Amino acid sequence: EPEVTQTPSHQVTQMGQEVILRCVPISNHLYFYWYRQILGQKVEFLVSFYNNEISEKSEIFDDQFSVERPDGSNFTLKIRSTKLEDSAMYFCASSESGTSGRLSDTQYFGPGTRLTVL
Amino acid sequence: LAKTTQPISMDSYEGQEVNITCSHNNIATNDYITWYQQFPSQGPRFIIQGYKTKVTNEVASLFIPADRKSSTLSLPRVSLSDTAVYYCLVGWGPYNFNKFYFGSGTKLNVKP
Repeated sequence: EPEVTQTPSHQVTQMGQEVILRCVPISNHLYFYWYRQILGQKVEFLVSFYNNEISEKSEIFDDQFSVERPDGSNFTLKIRSTKLEDSAMYFCASSESGTSGRLSDTQYFGPGTRLTVL
Repeated sequence: LAKTTQPISMDSYEGQEVNITCSHNNIATNDYITWYQQFPSQGPRFIIQGYKTKVTNEVASLFIPADRKSSTLSLPRVSLSDTAVYYCLVGWGPYNFNKFYFGSGTKLNVKP
């Protein structure tokens, strides 16, 4: 069964450093997403991406965040200057389509990257 | 915005059927209802999706009444491995990209 993969599984960084989290979405999917989950809290939407541009973003997704699809398979989230409060699990997801909440738009999530900012 | 409301937690015993109800009073005509399961330190996993009446798959059943203002996820004969957080989500309608907003979910604790 195809699945979303993410690397690394755990990233430790110093405050102020840049990090890049990587995701390989399911191959025939066209819509890509990033979410984060601070320990003990709910899953929060960050951004959705389609056709090489951002479709939607939340208020969390400020100027320190950026996303990119550098090639035909990878989807990355960059945090330019990490802060302590960026420590969280970051989940990548992908879906076949994204026009409404139908089965074809169901998002499949990766296992996550645990980001720890010291 | 179709906000969802679920119980914060539920307890059950192995072998029992568990029903988790979600309220979504302002669901839009084109919205579908989707349930996810999340284990600690893992990504949410799709369980089931429906629009109306009843949907069943190998894992669960989803019951949606005619007014669609609520839905009930039914897990038959739960086991310890079903201990997880269960999220009910409602789609944003036909013209918005499908950014899911997760509520707090229902933490299901299955006891031996």
